[in-house]
Amino acid sequence: KNEVEQSPQNLTAQEGEFITINCSYSVGISALHWLQQHPGGGIVSLFMLSSGKKKHGRLIATINIQEKHSSLHITASHPRDSAVYICAVEKGAQKLVFGQGTRLTINP
Amino acid sequence: DTEVTQTPKHLVMGMTNKKSLKCEQHMGHRAMYWYKQKAKKPPELMFVYSYEKLSINESVPSRFSPECPNSSLLNLHLHALQPEDSALYLCASSPGDESSYNEQFFGPGTRLTVL
Repeated sequence: KNEVEQSPQNLTAQEGEFITINCSYSVGISALHWLQQHPGGGIVSLFMLSSGKKKHGRLIATINIQEKHSSLHITASHPRDSAVYICAVEKGAQKLVFGQGTRLTINP
Repeated sequence: DTEVTQTPKHLVMGMTNKKSLKCEQHMGHRAMYWYKQKAKKPPELMFVYSYEKLSINESVPSRFSPECPNSSLLNLHLHALQPEDSALYLCASSPGDESSYNEQFFGPGTRLTVL
């Protein structure tokens, strides 16, 4: 079993829909990261969380440390949000353990 | 400057060639990373340099040789690679202070093809 599990693996939605991607982990962590990867390769760090909730524009990330669970929400989704979203946990300094990623497609 | 740059963007090499990948950042970060990413898979950590010293080597074959000439620069020297080494190679950097957050900033990657 992977230490970091994401769901769903693939998600297709219509423009404007509210999107939720989930991440569960089974190990003790110091922080959790949400990353975005567009086709072509570049990875962008969206959030780093150790507790609570963070918001940046239309993106919201939450984490429940007791339940070892995090969610990434996208409000008013847009085709440019189409990308792979990766959850990664920081087990120790400098070492990230990655989930398998969620491939999101937003259709116009 | 909040960017990590990588060169080249694409590289095709034969199994007998020697080549190098280069990564540079000017954010004053003291930790730098090499990752390998196969298609439709998450990145896999290869090496971590902390304060210019190799701190993590994830049992990477010796045909991959990292080098950190200074705090801004990270190289990955390649020699006698195999076709299965074809992948996207990503570089990242982070502040490197173990007592504070370690958001990693990723470069655009080098897409390597080994023939």
